[in-house]
Amino acid sequence: GENVEQHPSTLSVQEGDSAVIKCTYSDSASNYFPWYKQELGKRPQLIIDIRSNVGEKKDQRIAVTLNKTAKHFSLHITETQPEDSAVYFCAASAGGDNRLAFGKGNQVVVIP
Amino acid sequence: NAGVTQTPKFQVLKTGQSMTLQCAQDMNHNSMYWYRQDPGMGLRLIYYSASEGTTDKGEVPNGYNVSRLNKREFSLRLESAAPSQTSVYFCASSAPGLSSSAGYTFGSGTRLTVV
Repeated sequence: GENVEQHPSTLSVQEGDSAVIKCTYSDSASNYFPWYKQELGKRPQLIIDIRSNVGEKKDQRIAVTLNKTAKHFSLHITETQPEDSAVYFCAASAGGDNRLAFGKGNQVVVIP
Repeated sequence: NAGVTQTPKFQVLKTGQSMTLQCAQDMNHNSMYWYRQDPGMGLRLIYYSASEGTTDKGEVPNGYNVSRLNKREFSLRLESAAPSQTSVYFCASSAPGLSSSAGYTFGSGTRLTVV
């Protein structure tokens, strides 16, 4: 099955700086790559996703890039704010039954 | 719309007790999932139901059973709880297209402690 890995496990950034989280996946058939944000004690929430026919997608301060050849995709957060502090999960799906395989998560800490 | 509703939010069980976690969605989604979340382990799939009337094992199904009661409801049962099942459980649903995946909507979670 699909195996998704995330690096680094914890990322601390100064407010206003950028944060980048990278994920790798193993199944070349995967074609859907969402990112979820989970605040402490809350449910994971979808913040952005990308499909395999697109190389980059932006939504205000967040963007996701996909490199299918290298089998990795990254989340970019610009102009970080304290409310960006959370755990971020990447995931991948090969379609069909729509099962998502999740990475273990990255703790992002924005230092005011 | 409530989205995905899970009950209960918290539960403490003694080893060997049984319980059922309830999940219901009002978004007319075909697919529903049960995940468990443990520190440092991310979200691991227990069981899923790609459509009404079907259920399949995920990554960590041992010790659990599920029932897709109808299109709205997907329950998770622990027949004989063990301390290793102490975790936060999330139900999720999605509406995949015919040939494409779609994002999940998660419930608020059930924090289960087995003593």
